[in-house]
Amino acid sequence: GDSVTQTEGQVALSEEDFLTIHCNYSASGYPTLFWYVQYPGEGPQLLFRASRDKEKGSSRGFEATYDKGTTSFHLRKASVQESDSAVYYCALSGGSNAKLTFGKGTKLSVKS
Amino acid sequence: GPKVLQIPSHQIIDMGQMVTLNCDPVSNHLYFYWYKQILGQQMEFLVNFYNGKVMEKSKLFKDQFSVERPDGSYFTLKIQPTALEDSAVYFCASSLARNNQAPLFGEGTRLSVL
Repeated sequence: GDSVTQTEGQVALSEEDFLTIHCNYSASGYPTLFWYVQYPGEGPQLLFRASRDKEKGSSRGFEATYDKGTTSFHLRKASVQESDSAVYYCALSGGSNAKLTFGKGTKLSVKS
Repeated sequence: GPKVLQIPSHQIIDMGQMVTLNCDPVSNHLYFYWYKQILGQQMEFLVNFYNGKVMEKSKLFKDQFSVERPDGSYFTLKIQPTALEDSAVYFCASSLARNNQAPLFGEGTRLSVL
C-alpha cells in the first residue's frame, strides 16, 4: 500500500536557521502530495500541495518540489521563526479511494 | 473560511459504554474521513465515506466502530462498546473531491475511556 517516510522525528533550530524536513513516498500511479502543519490542540492545517512532477508548492515561506524521480517532497524554509514551532506532516492521496496517508510527523522546535 | 466542526471537544466515558462523535463537515463537501491520533503520535487513518458508503477502512476500524451520515446531517463515528485503547483524539475531515483536493480537518474530539 501507499506509504510516506519522514526521516526526522524532531528538529531543533534557532531563529533564522535554514530548515529541511525530508519526505519520501511510495505509491502506485501519480499521487497528490501535501504538507500539513499541526499546532498543539488543533487539527492539521494544509500548508500546500503539489499534483505533478516538478511542481513547487509554497506557503508562508515554506516550499517543496514534487520529484517523481526520487519520490521525494522535501520541505524547506530559508529562515525559521519561533512561531513556526509545530508538527509538520507529509501526506499523499492517490488511487480510487481518496485515502490521505500521513507520514509520522516531524516536531519542529525553534528557539529565539 | 469554511470549517469542519466537531462536537463535543472532549468526552469522558466508562469502558464498555457507547460513544458517538459528531462532525459537521463543510456544506458542499462530498468525502468524509475519520482519523485517530494517540497523544504525541502520528495521524492514523480509520475510514473514509462517500455517497452513503464506506470507501475504505483500516485495520484500526474495529468491528465495534461504525460511521454514518443520515440525511446530510452530522457525519458520526460510533464506538460500541468502547475499550481503554480507544482513548485518543479523533479528527474528522471533509473534502469536495478526492485525491487532489486537500481534506479540511476539524479540531478534534478528545475521547477518554476510563
